[in-house]
Amino acid sequence: GESVGLHLPTLSVQEGDNSIINCAYSNSASDYFIWYKQESGKGPQFIIDIRSNMDKRQGQRVTVLLNKTVKHLSLQIAATQPGDSAVYFCAEGNQFYFGTGTSLTVIP
Amino acid sequence: NAGVTQTPKFQVLKTGQSMTLQCAQDMNHNSMYWYRQDPGMGLRLIYYSASEGTTDKGEVPNGYNVSRLNKREFSLRLESAAPSQTSVYFCASSEGPYEKLFFGSGTQLSVL
Repeated sequence: GESVGLHLPTLSVQEGDNSIINCAYSNSASDYFIWYKQESGKGPQFIIDIRSNMDKRQGQRVTVLLNKTVKHLSLQIAATQPGDSAVYFCAEGNQFYFGTGTSLTVIP
Repeated sequence: NAGVTQTPKFQVLKTGQSMTLQCAQDMNHNSMYWYRQDPGMGLRLIYYSASEGTTDKGEVPNGYNVSRLNKREFSLRLESAAPSQTSVYFCASSEGPYEKLFFGSGTQLSVL
């Protein structure tokens, strides 16, 4: 079956530093990947997505990198702020499956 | 725009009781989804509706039924609640499959 997983369950970074959150997927046929942010007590919120014809996509302070060779994607957050503290999920394709998430804590 | 609206926000049931979770979206989206989220875990898909008039099972459909009432509304019904169904339930919608999801704020359900 498909699986989408995250390398680390928790990540702590200093305010102002860059954050990198990693995600592995198993379905080599996947052609769409997406990242969500979930703050405590709220529903997940779309951050950024990428399709398989791209290796990199940038948004506001966020960048997603896709490495199809090793079936890995990462979310980079520049100049991490306290408001970035949340759980981050990756999902692929039809988004039927989500990873367990990485909890990002920003230390002021 | 309200986006995706879920009701109720909180609910406590006794084992064996039934209830329906309501979800409505005002974005004219074709696809709608129901997920559950247990502590420390990711989202698990219960049912989805790729378009009005269709529904399909997700990863964990047992104990649930759904109704795509119209393009806006997608309800989730628990016929006979069990403690294992204690969870936070999220409804989501998207323009179509393989598009970003918009989530509601969730329903926290406790079954005693």
